[in-house]
Amino acid sequence: QVQLVQSGSELKKPGASVKVSCKASGYTFTNDALNWVRQAPGQGLEWMGWINTYTGNPTYAQGFTGRFVFSLDTSVSTAYLQISSLEAEDTAVYYCAREDQTCTSSDCYPNYFYPWGQGTLVIVSS
Amino acid sequence: EIVMTQSPATLSVSPGERATLSCRASQSININLAWYQQKPGQAPRLLIYGASTRATGIPAGFSGSGSGTEFTLTISSLQSEDFAVYYCHQYNNWPHTFGRGTKLEIK
Repeated sequence: QVQLVQSGSELKKPGASVKVSCKASGYTFTNDALNWVRQAPGQGLEWMGWINTYTGNPTYAQGFTGRFVFSLDTSVSTAYLQISSLEAEDTAVYYCAREDQTCTSSDCYPNYFYPWGQGTLVIVSS
Repeated sequence: EIVMTQSPATLSVSPGERATLSCRASQSININLAWYQQKPGQAPRLLIYGASTRATGIPAGFSGSGSGTEFTLTISSLQSEDFAVYYCHQYNNWPHTFGRGTKLEIK
């Protein structure tokens, strides 16, 4: 079955970096986009952006530029989210989610998210 | 960006009763709307896409309706496992945006 499995919880100090992984199985990894979604404690879902798993090109949502980097290792069907210069406000659960976009030669059109990874809790605390 | 407004923020319903959750978009999103269920400590689970199509394995008691800017998720007869937070998500335009959620609690 189609599945996304994320890496485990992380406890980091302010200023450090963290890299979260999301391993896909059950489908051709490079056929579908991979999104990242943040959920702060007790809050709703916030879209961080997506990465084109065929080209490796990332797109970042407003508010997620600079310290956030999406990357891939297609040889192991895995996507990564790296956050540098961690702040207490980065404490959240981070989810990856697959998106079956429709793409033309010039553009890609958004779609719903299915499935989601189980989430990775990142705690930033001194 | 398109703002998604869910109402109510909290809905108290007794088991066996019907629940109706609403989601409004700040501009037309056609039928490009999904609903997700999230239980504590779990990832969101896709319930509905295309405003009214149930995802694989979702019971018939869940139904979605609407188009344009007004959407509804109806749960016909609440079971104990249905008490959770529900989010709507528009995917008509970039960027993806979510509503702030409706918490469905036991009355």
